[in-house]
Amino acid sequence: KAGVTQTPRYLIKTRGQQVTLSCSPISGHRSVSWYQQTPGQGLQFLFEYFSETQRNKGNFPGRFSGRQFSNSRSEMNVSTLELGDSALYLCASSLRFRGQSPYEQYFGPGTRLTVT
Amino acid sequence: GIQVEQSPPDLILQEGANSTLRCNFSDSVNNLQWFHQNPWGQLINLFYIPSGTKQNGRLSATTVATERYSLLYISSSQTTDSGVYFCALGFKTIFGAGTRLFVKA
Repeated sequence: KAGVTQTPRYLIKTRGQQVTLSCSPISGHRSVSWYQQTPGQGLQFLFEYFSETQRNKGNFPGRFSGRQFSNSRSEMNVSTLELGDSALYLCASSLRFRGQSPYEQYFGPGTRLTVT
Repeated sequence: GIQVEQSPPDLILQEGANSTLRCNFSDSVNNLQWFHQNPWGQLINLFYIPSGTKQNGRLSATTVATERYSLLYISSSQTTDSGVYFCALGFKTIFGAGTRLFVKA
């Protein structure tokens, strides 16, 4: 079974621009979660989508948004990029949504975003 | 919210040595996972272990939920074990700061 895939793998953007990242979950998985990893803050949960609905959200500003399509693929958008948005963005897929057990996540390889 | 502490923060081993990584958490949880992040950034799922003991080859893990800790054992370490080990748990998947492991040949 193919793993979680993310595109693009690397991205360089300029401050003020917007960016869209894509994640395809493992076949049959309906939950997709997004995370941001930075050296200073570590790994932080952004949001989770399940069956095209955002079910949970972390403590990030409204510039960070996402959506999920009927085939469970998900996109994450960051508008008005800031230098501090430079990070590794990881998505994870799961068979169940968080709150159901067992809730086991599988991660993609990540998208490394650099904002200049 | 849940607090997650991992120890030690850094660990250097000679190839073939054994090690124990610890994850302490502040509240009861019904999910806990251990991950290995390789030097390329990929997070690899090691164990889903909210309680009990599991083994997979040279790796094993134990979670004692009532005492709020989990242990990851690495035996006969290899250079490919290098990277950062994270435990993650809770409703919003709180990650610990990780244990950075370097295995010397």
